[in-house]
Amino acid sequence: SYVLTQPPSVSVAPGETAKITCGGDNIGTKSVHWYQQKPGQAPVLLINYDSVRLSGIPQRFSGSNSGITATLTISRAEAGDEADYYCQVWDGTADHLYVFGPGTKVTVL
Amino acid sequence: DVQLVESGGGSVQPGGSLRLSCAASGFTFDAFGMHWVRQAPGRGLEWILGVSWNSGRIGYADSVKGRFTISRDNAKNSLYLEMNSLRPEDTAVYYCAKDAGYFGAGIDYWGQGILVTVSS
Repeated sequence: SYVLTQPPSVSVAPGETAKITCGGDNIGTKSVHWYQQKPGQAPVLLINYDSVRLSGIPQRFSGSNSGITATLTISRAEAGDEADYYCQVWDGTADHLYVFGPGTKVTVL
Repeated sequence: DVQLVESGGGSVQPGGSLRLSCAASGFTFDAFGMHWVRQAPGRGLEWILGVSWNSGRIGYADSVKGRFTISRDNAKNSLYLEMNSLRPEDTAVYYCAKDAGYFGAGIDYWGQGILVTVSS
């Protein structure tokens, strides 16, 4: 089955930019979605189809997919952005429809 | 407002069975794919099963293949997860989740999650 990789952790200073990468074989041919999950809460869909921000999601969150890696960028990081972030791809050609990455813990120092 | 409410969780012995239900409201249930996603304690998200709007397509993760079954009843706006031959590693919070589109658009709404504990 399709495997995604993410860095286990990313640290960012308040007001600075954090980049979370998501790697996978030919990921540029996949639709990549990004989620934020805070402790004790259900995940929140931030970005779908690589770069489409969902309604209500701050413009500080953006996504891209270069073909080698997909990236979630958090600009002007805030304390409230501290959370786990997961990438996900749709692998519609297989039985495993969705695959999640292992997650990245973002710490705002 | 969209609401997804899971029920049926609890504790079960290894080898046992459990059925989860999810009551959906606030959207046109039969227009969207639905999924079950789980999260073991302290671990990441794992998509395990999905079903298209008309049950014409079902997908599953290898970890639950042959043991878990997903189904839906559009007349009752309900999603189900039948879990058999449960193992300790199936212990997790199970989320009922709505696709943002037919299938493949991401998951835009989640239930509150329900804990399933498999232990002797």
